[in-house]
Amino acid sequence: KAGVTQTPRYLIKTRGQQVTLSCSPISGHRSVSWYQQTPGQGLQFLFEYFSETQRNKGNFPGRFSGRQFSNSRSEMNVSTLELGDSALYLCASSYGNEKLFFGSGTQLSVL
Amino acid sequence: EDKVVQSPLSLVVHEGDTVTLNCSYEVTNFRSLLWYKQEKKAPTFLFMLTSSGIEKKSGRLSSILDKKELFSILNITATQTGDSAVYLCAVELVGSQGNLIFGKGTKLSVKP
Repeated sequence: KAGVTQTPRYLIKTRGQQVTLSCSPISGHRSVSWYQQTPGQGLQFLFEYFSETQRNKGNFPGRFSGRQFSNSRSEMNVSTLELGDSALYLCASSYGNEKLFFGSGTQLSVL
Repeated sequence: EDKVVQSPLSLVVHEGDTVTLNCSYEVTNFRSLLWYKQEKKAPTFLFMLTSSGIEKKSGRLSSILDKKELFSILNITATQTGDSAVYLCAVELVGSQGNLIFGKGTKLSVKP
């Protein structure tokens, strides 16, 4: 069974631009969560989607948004990038209320 | 505010040593506590604990939860260089599917 797949693996953007990250969950998993990981703050929850609906949202500004498609694939978008948005963005999927399986992440650098 | 605190933040040991990693939490509506290992990028699942006092084991790794004192420990016996990683503790709350509250992690370095 393939794991959680995130694309792209690396991304370099400049301040003010926007970015879209993609996540394909494990087959059969309908819940997808997104996390931001930085050296200072650790892993912080962004949002969680289930059956195309956002069920939970963390404390991030509205520049951070996401969506989920009918095949459970998910995208997250960050608009008007800031230097502080440089981070590893991790996606995780789960089946029901079971544990999260994480992807390898997208390393975003904002210059 | 819900929080998870791990200690120590970093640890250096030699192969063969036994290590104990700590995780304490202060949260409302606890559902489960999870341990993950992060070597490069993708955290990989180790244990999920929901009940106090029941030890979970997987090879040289074991973990236990104390819901009265609000902490968990992760033990690694006979450490190997391949155990070098960041170990993450996370708590899931009731009704917050997919939303894990993570500690900052313990960086373990195992020297040959």
